[in-house]
Amino acid sequence: EAQVTQNPRYLITVTGKKLTVTCSQNMNHEYMSWYRQDPGLGLRQIYYSMNVEVTDKGDVPEGYKVSRKEKRNFPLILESPSPNQTSLYFCASSLLGSRGGTDTQYFGPGTRLTVL
Amino acid sequence: AQTVTQSQPEMSVQEAETVTLSCTYDTSESDYYLFWYKQPPSRQMILVIRQEAYKQQNATENRFSVNFQKAAKSFSLKISDSQLGDAAMYFCALGSGTYKYIFGTGTRLKVLA
Repeated sequence: EAQVTQNPRYLITVTGKKLTVTCSQNMNHEYMSWYRQDPGLGLRQIYYSMNVEVTDKGDVPEGYKVSRKEKRNFPLILESPSPNQTSLYFCASSLLGSRGGTDTQYFGPGTRLTVL
Repeated sequence: AQTVTQSQPEMSVQEAETVTLSCTYDTSESDYYLFWYKQPPSRQMILVIRQEAYKQQNATENRFSVNFQKAAKSFSLKISDSQLGDAAMYFCALGSGTYKYIFGTGTRLKVLA
């Protein structure tokens, strides 16, 4: 089954304790991305990757790190989480559009993160 | 900067009626894609419909259709014969050659029985 998986689905942690949210896709997509969803703000892009070893900042990258060492995996790292990073996080993947740009995003189930 | 604006935080529709959700966007790119995604209470993000900007014909998927006005940078979603299962948050999104992906703030659709 074609899918994007994220782990963990739920996480409660404390300020300053490093954490990693994993993301994996089995569709051989070049493009992967992380978003956070907050009430009234929609989804905002944190980081994206066009291919292995190629990453770039989205609109809200502060406090986050990513890496793309393999095509299928794109982990999100919070090295020193703070309460304002409490949010719902989505990983997504897609093909690159035939005329350039980013096409339909296939989303993981989301990770609910609470930072105390 | 690219932007996507959804000016209707909440809409209601009677079951079996038609409703239109509005979206405007801004980009300087010539090639891009526009999308409507649905997010039911399960929080899963589901693609509803997709439009390629270079295609003038409006996309349709069963009861869902769009009105794509490229010059006006408008991309509205029409839902015909609304069903209870259509109740959800709907997000308009823009994917362009900059490789960024921009979402609007969403419209919550309520379907009244």
